[in-house]
Amino acid sequence: KQEVTQIPAALSVPEGENLVLNCSFTDSAIYNLQWFRQDPGKGLTSLLLIQSSQREQTSGRLNASLDKSSGRSTLYIAASQPGDSATYLCAVPPMDSNYQLIWGAGTKLIIKP
Amino acid sequence: NAGVMQNPRHLVRRRGQEARLRCSPMKGHSHVYWYRQLPEEGLKFMVYLQKENIIDESGMPKERFSAEFPKEGPSILRIQQVVRGDSAAYFCASSEQGRGYTFGSGTRLTVV
Repeated sequence: KQEVTQIPAALSVPEGENLVLNCSFTDSAIYNLQWFRQDPGKGLTSLLLIQSSQREQTSGRLNASLDKSSGRSTLYIAASQPGDSATYLCAVPPMDSNYQLIWGAGTKLIIKP
Repeated sequence: NAGVMQNPRHLVRRRGQEARLRCSPMKGHSHVYWYRQLPEEGLKFMVYLQKENIIDESGMPKERFSAEFPKEGPSILRIQQVVRGDSAAYFCASSEQGRGYTFGSGTRLTVV
């Protein structure tokens, strides 16, 4: 059974720092891995999707990597800004279901001005 | 395109009452998914529906919970005789087949 873990649960850093969020999964048989952002009282915004055949994806200051063999993904945020404060979630669809998503509990990120 | 619309945003119910959560998918999307997020936990899949059909309800509790997606109108997640443990954020997402999800803002249910 697929399990997704995100460490740390919370992270607080000064503005301008580069940072890395971690996501690990127990079953390497995945279609893809997605990173989402969740703002308080709002829905989920898809940030990056990495297909199982890819090693990384980039969007602006965000870079996500995927290492299937070790069951890990990282989300790198460069030059962090207060507006990056949110909860970041990773999710994977297991091979036996191409529509369900198995979610991590998220990392709550606070960027201090 | 207004995106995925969920209402109400916040819902308070007393124990034993019924809760009805509504989700209007994005225009052109015929696939709807419901997820539940308990406090301090990740999202958990509940049910996947297409118009007039429940495709997969394996994540839905067997009792008190039901979902529908009628030919006309929004998808409805219905919780009968709510208990305190039902307090959570309920998210709806929609998609075209084979494409990524778009999520709504969620309904936060509080049972008092």
